[in-house]
Amino acid sequence: GENVEQHPSTLSVQEGDSAVIKCTYSDSASNYFPWYKQELGKRPQLIIDIRSNVGEKKDQRIAVTLNKTAKHFSLHITETQPEDSAVYFCAARVATGNTGKLIFGQGTTLQVKP
Amino acid sequence: DAGVIQSPRHEVTEMGQEVTLRCKPISGHNSLFWYRQTMMRGLELLIYFNNNVPIDDSGMPEDRFSAKMPNASFSTLKIQPSEPRDSAVYFCASSPGQNNEQFFGPGTRLTVL
Repeated sequence: GENVEQHPSTLSVQEGDSAVIKCTYSDSASNYFPWYKQELGKRPQLIIDIRSNVGEKKDQRIAVTLNKTAKHFSLHITETQPEDSAVYFCAARVATGNTGKLIFGQGTTLQVKP
Repeated sequence: DAGVIQSPRHEVTEMGQEVTLRCKPISGHNSLFWYRQTMMRGLELLIYFNNNVPIDDSGMPEDRFSAKMPNASFSTLKIQPSEPRDSAVYFCASSPGQNNEQFFGPGTRLTVL
């Protein structure tokens, strides 16, 4: 079945620096890749997503890139701020059976130091 | 919009007791997902419903777990009997379509002693 690997598991950056989180997936037919941010004690919330018909998508300081050939996608956060500190999860939608099922990566704990 | 509503927010119970978690999806959403989150296993999909029908329950760990969706505005996840290893945060999420964004509820933190 679909498998999603996420790296690194923890990431510490200085405020203002950039942060990059990478994910790989196994099912070449997957076509939807969301990223969720989860603050401590809170629910996961969608911050950006990308579909397989585009290679890059930006939303202010956040961008996601997708390489379908290599089956990996990345989250880029520029000009990081302390409020960006959270756990970030990538996910890939299972393509078989049109089920809508998401497989999540293990998460990356991002710490932005003031 | 109130978002996805879950109850209770916290549940502490003793091993062997029955636990029922409840979820009210966002009005108009026809897909509902139950997830379990632990430090060791991350975020796992347990079961999901489309138009109140269970579509995929392959993530349900064992027969002690069951889920129902009697109507479009209510779902339950039941654990009977509960065990300490069931301790986790259980999230419910809903979506306007099974291929659309999933909106998570606040979660239920379950502790089984």
